[in-house]
Amino acid sequence: AQTVTQSQPEMSVQEAETVTLSCTYDTSESNYYLFWYKQPPSRQMILVIRQEAYKQQNATENRFSVNFQKAAKSFSLKISDSQLGDTAMYFCAFMIENTGTASKLTFGTGTRLQVTL
Amino acid sequence: EPEVTQTPSHQVTQMGQEVILRCVPISNHLYFYWYRQILGQKVEFLVSFYNNEISEKSEIFDDQFSVERPDGSNFTLKIRSTKLEDSAMYFCASGRDNSPLHFGNGTRLTVT
Repeated sequence: AQTVTQSQPEMSVQEAETVTLSCTYDTSESNYYLFWYKQPPSRQMILVIRQEAYKQQNATENRFSVNFQKAAKSFSLKISDSQLGDTAMYFCAFMIENTGTASKLTFGTGTRLQVTL
Repeated sequence: EPEVTQTPSHQVTQMGQEVILRCVPISNHLYFYWYRQILGQKVEFLVSFYNNEISEKSEIFDDQFSVERPDGSNFTLKIRSTKLEDSAMYFCASGRDNSPLHFGNGTRLTVT
């Protein structure tokens, strides 16, 4: 079974600063995907960024980037130039590569990020 | 951009009643899921569905729960006899091979 651990229940960052959210996971699988989802107060689940385990290059998406350390099973999210709209719950998630069946997402417990003025 | 739609956005029901939560996944997606999030807690997997049958279900998905894809577009979650502890946000999601899951906006279920 796969597990995802987010050790920071809450984080705070000032507007325009940079913050890093931590995530570790455990799996015996070789082929998988990692994701960060954002859940604002509206409680929508919004995909922030995706990383394929077979890619060594870290994914980036505008102000969002990841530090993927496969050997350490670590997948942290860096938010640069934080904005008030980044205030949300952030979930790290893991998915095994599909092999002809529906592969589920396993979520961590989340990190609540507050961006302050 | 196509999206997953869920109805209703909020459902209030009395304990012991049956509820049906509805979802319209993205049309070319193959895999369908229901997740649950009790307020303030993590998002928990309930069930996955592919090729007109359940692929996997969690311990939470007991005999009180069922899923259907009755007409090739809708994907429903039925709770036969609701309990207070079923109060939660229920998310439907859909996906294709090795792509991120797309989530609906959720149905907030309140059992009184």
